[in-house]
Amino acid sequence: DVQLVESGGGLVQPGGSLRLSCAASGFTFSNYWMSWVRQAPGKGPEWVASIKHDGRETYYVDSLKGRFTISRDNAKNSLYLQMNSLRDEDTAVYYCARATYGTDPWGQGTLVTVSS
Amino acid sequence: DIQMTQSPSSLSASVGDRVTITCRASQDIRNDLGWYQQKPGKAPKRLIYAASNLQSGVPSRFSGSGSGTEFTLTISSLQPEDFATYYCLQHNSYPLTFGGGTKVEIK
Repeated sequence: DVQLVESGGGLVQPGGSLRLSCAASGFTFSNYWMSWVRQAPGKGPEWVASIKHDGRETYYVDSLKGRFTISRDNAKNSLYLQMNSLRDEDTAVYYCARATYGTDPWGQGTLVTVSS
Repeated sequence: DIQMTQSPSSLSASVGDRVTITCRASQDIRNDLGWYQQKPGKAPKRLIYAASNLQSGVPSRFSGSGSGTEFTLTISSLQPEDFATYYCLQHNSYPLTFGGGTKVEIK
């Protein structure tokens, strides 16, 4: 079975940084594009970023460009999201997802809370 | 960016009812659309991919149709476990964009 497990979330102060990880199993990770999607409390999902299977192409939502960086390590079957200069509005559950006809499946998510 | 306009934002229905949810894209996205169901505290789960293809394991009462700019998710006979929030997602071009969601509640 395909499994995606996020980690690295937590409470961080405004202006701080956090690195999220996603451990993938049950499929050949290096063959797939991967994405991060976030969902603020009480809101709908928002796509954050995607990365090509070899890591050579990345795409970001415009509002996050320059602050967030998506990366991957195919040898470790892992996806990452480096988040810098965090703001209150970045508070959300962050999901990693395999990019197959959009996004599927998703992990269970990791909560990031930005607050002083 | 492609805007996805989903309607209605909420609806009340009874078990056994036929329910239809619509997503309109601001430009032609061919059939690059999926439908997702989300229950409280859980990750969204895809029901339909490529506009009209049923995800493996999803009950056949769910169906999707449409192409271009108009898409529909239909639940033929609403079941108690279907009360949830539904989203469409276009993946024709970046940035990927979701519809605003439809909350299906019990009448």
